[in-house]
Amino acid sequence: GAVVSQHPSRVICKSGTSVKIECRSLDFQATTMFWYRQFPKQSLMLMATSNEGSKATYEQGVEKDKFLINHASLTLSTLTVTSAHPEDSSFYICSAAGHLNEKLFFGSGTQLSVL
Amino acid sequence: DAKTTQPPSMDCAEGRAANLPCNHSTISGNEYVYWYRQIHSQGPQYIIHGLKNNETNEMASLIITEDRKSSTLILPHATLRDTAVYYCIVSFFRGSNYKLTFGKGTLLTVNP
Repeated sequence: GAVVSQHPSRVICKSGTSVKIECRSLDFQATTMFWYRQFPKQSLMLMATSNEGSKATYEQGVEKDKFLINHASLTLSTLTVTSAHPEDSSFYICSAAGHLNEKLFFGSGTQLSVL
Repeated sequence: DAKTTQPPSMDCAEGRAANLPCNHSTISGNEYVYWYRQIHSQGPQYIIHGLKNNETNEMASLIITEDRKSSTLILPHATLRDTAVYYCIVSFFRGSNYKLTFGKGTLLTVNP
């Protein structure tokens, strides 16, 4: 099956710093990428949808100036958590869909801990 | 608003079939039923999807009722590694409305 690579798998940062998470589709062109976050013992919450070359569409309640999403190519999307705070600590997961949108392939997730 | 309803948890004996139900009574004619699962601290894994016909692949079978208001995911011979949270999701197949919104899912525990 298709592979989505997410990096880093775990990051610890100080409060106030910015953290960038990368999501790459390794063997297909991802026309659409999605970013989710998940708190312990909860389900995945969709944060935003990004299409290559377009601005991301954010879900209600997600601050677009805090969670910067860039989808500059068909194989790479990045999520930058700006001025991170302890409440941003969470498991962030990316997913990608090809042009047929048949199914989503997910990255392995990034555990962010903000001290 | 939740578009699917699943039992919060289920148990299954190793080697037996696991049947996971899902209600999606408000599904529209163009929406597909998707099943994903998530093993602890990993990204979700695609299992199967379908529109109205029953589907089978190497992982599972998907049985969709004729009125499409409910479906059942069947793992024919559950193993301990099938212990995971299983999510039933309805979504359009493609286009600007395509996105997967996860509900709470069913925690399937496969017991030895």
